[in-house]
Amino acid sequence: DIQMTQSPSSLSASVGDRVTITCRASQGIRNHLAWYQQKPGKVPNLLIYAASTLQSGVPSRFSGSGSGTDFTLTISSLQPEDVATYYCHTYNSPFGQGTKVEIK
Amino acid sequence: QVQLVQSGSELKKPGASVKVSCKASGYNFRIYAMNWVRQAPGQGLEWMGWINTNNGNPTYAQGFTGRFVFSLDTSVSTAYLQISSLKAEDTAVYYCARLGPRYDLDYWGQGTLVTVSS
Repeated sequence: DIQMTQSPSSLSASVGDRVTITCRASQGIRNHLAWYQQKPGKVPNLLIYAASTLQSGVPSRFSGSGSGTDFTLTISSLQPEDVATYYCHTYNSPFGQGTKVEIK
Repeated sequence: QVQLVQSGSELKKPGASVKVSCKASGYNFRIYAMNWVRQAPGQGLEWMGWINTNNGNPTYAQGFTGRFVFSLDTSVSTAYLQISSLKAEDTAVYYCARLGPRYDLDYWGQGTLVTVSS
C-alpha cells in the first residue's frame, strides 16, 4: 500500500504570507496526486489534480508541484478564507494526515 | 451536472447495522469508481476503499474489512455502504466520492452522519 506523509500537521501564518505544505509518497506515483481543501463543517473540495493543475474556480494563489514521491502545495499569499485543513491523496490509498492552516 | 446525493443522518444503537446510500446523477454511473471516506469527529479523512461500478468488485482499505460492505444498484445509479455490528467508534460522517478521469475524487456527496449511541 502507498502511504502519504504530509507535513506540517498545522501552521499559523499571517495574511499575505507564503505557505507551503509538503506530501511524500512511500513509492513513486508519477503525478497522480490531488490536494483537497476542507473548511470547518464542509465537504472536502478538490483544489489541485495531477499534482499541479488547478481545479476550475480555484484562486490562482494556490499552486501545486512535484512528481514521483515529493509534492508541494503552495498558497502564495494567504487569505482569511483559506483557513481550512488541506489533504493530499493519491487514488486507492489513504489520505495524508492533513494540515490545519490558521491565521496568526 | 454531476451530483452525489447521500441518505440522511442515522442514529443507531451499538450492535445494530446501518446502510448509507449515495445516488449519482448527471453522468454514466458505470464508468467511474465510487470511493467511500470516513471522518470521525474532529479527525482527518480516512479512505475506506472503493467499488468498481462496472462489475461491482469492492476493495477495502486496511481497517475496513469484515463489518463494512460496499454494494451497488446500477439500475438506480446508487452505491451503498453497509456497516454491521456498529460500535461507538463508528460515529462519523461518511462520504461517497467519485474517482474521476484524472484519478482524483472530483465529486463528493454531502456526507451522512452516523451516530452510534446507546
